[in-house]
Amino acid sequence: DIQMTQSPSSLSASVGDRVTITCRASQDIRNDLHWYQQKPGKAPKRLISAASSLQSGVPSRFSGSGSGTEFTLTISSLQPEDLATYYCLQHLNVPVTFGQGTKLEIE
Amino acid sequence: EVQLVESGGGLVQPGGSLRLSCATSGFTFSPYWLHWVRQAPGKGLVWVSRISSDGIDKKYADFVKGRFTISRDNADNTLYLQMNSLRADDTAIYYCVFLYSGNWGQGTPVTVSS
Repeated sequence: DIQMTQSPSSLSASVGDRVTITCRASQDIRNDLHWYQQKPGKAPKRLISAASSLQSGVPSRFSGSGSGTEFTLTISSLQPEDLATYYCLQHLNVPVTFGQGTKLEIE
Repeated sequence: EVQLVESGGGLVQPGGSLRLSCATSGFTFSPYWLHWVRQAPGKGLVWVSRISSDGIDKKYADFVKGRFTISRDNADNTLYLQMNSLRADDTAIYYCVFLYSGNWGQGTPVTVSS
């Protein structure tokens, strides 16, 4: 199974800050990686597909980069509504595996 | 608009069974592979199962193999998850996921408790 190691597990930042979340895959997954945002009590919402393709309707402050084993989700200017938990997901192989999640808090 | 609506969750005793359904609309159902993902209370997302477009190729997480069965009805645009021999650690919200488009259902809660 492909392990996805996501860091940090939690993060506190201020409005306007630049925030970076990282996922590392235990083997090469090309760009078969998604990023999801989950707000409390809600289903996950996809932000990024294919490592760097922004989902339609997602604000441009969100961006993804990386390929192979190292991936990054960046929020360029944190907004209050970005309070959520963020997950990466690899779908190169079954079982599909998720990172452990990053809980983002607003200072 | 793509919609996935799960149903069938509830409270069940250990050893019991439930059948989850996921009614879909807004996209052509039959060509796509579909997944079930679950989330235990306060925990992260965990993949459960996947089914191919024709319903023949099925994969399961190790922790549900032999207990859960995924299926689909391409005539009715519906995905299913038959869950048998349920255990307390199966307690979770179960999501139907269309991974290709990134759409998830709202989830259906399953609680296994005596």
